[in-house]
Amino acid sequence: GAGVSQSPSNKVTEKGKDVELRCDPISGHTALYWYRQSLGQGLEFLIYFQGNSAPDKSGLPSDRFSAERTGGSVSTLTIQRTQQEDSAVYLCASRRSFGTGELFFGEGSRLTVL
Amino acid sequence: DAKTTQPTSMDCAEGRAANLPCNHSTISGNEYVYWYRQIHSQGPQYIIHGLKNNETNEMASLIITEDRKSSTLILPHATLRDTAVYYCIVRGDDYKLSFGAGTTVTVRA
Repeated sequence: GAGVSQSPSNKVTEKGKDVELRCDPISGHTALYWYRQSLGQGLEFLIYFQGNSAPDKSGLPSDRFSAERTGGSVSTLTIQRTQQEDSAVYLCASRRSFGTGELFFGEGSRLTVL
Repeated sequence: DAKTTQPTSMDCAEGRAANLPCNHSTISGNEYVYWYRQIHSQGPQYIIHGLKNNETNEMASLIITEDRKSSTLILPHATLRDTAVYYCIVRGDDYKLSFGAGTTVTVRA
């Protein structure tokens, strides 16, 4: 597609359940980011993938959070045993390569944990 | 990354220029100034970036002071669709962009 695609756009789950959020970056973009945005807040960096390099996971808030990027393209963010404080919009962004280029963001996945 | 300071909010009249200030007094020589905006319920959108020269594109102009300690984003003819949160970010060779609270810009008819 022309832009970064995220799914699902909305997810409501019960506390304690696991969720998976998917990101399809722009074709050919080697850099991929996940950010989290809680209601009324700025963006919080979660994780960064660049090509085949080891990802920077320094922003993941707990070991319940993990992310993969298969084949250098699609990425999945997994949250295990969800808690109410995990409720937020999860945003994915991609960039053509390492450098000063712009980030292209998806529309986000809104997660609500009841 | 250097920290940026932006006003919390500002109003602008439709059709007028909107001038959004940003202070980045600790910026280092290899750090760029980026501007993004986020319209309600959408992902952030890139606007413009620059190093030390002023830049202009179809969306906006970026004016960076000679000492690079501050910059101004100019939306030349604001429309209602420009109502958004505007983020000023400085970034060097590393890959992380740190988004602060930004400036909430409200364009009024």
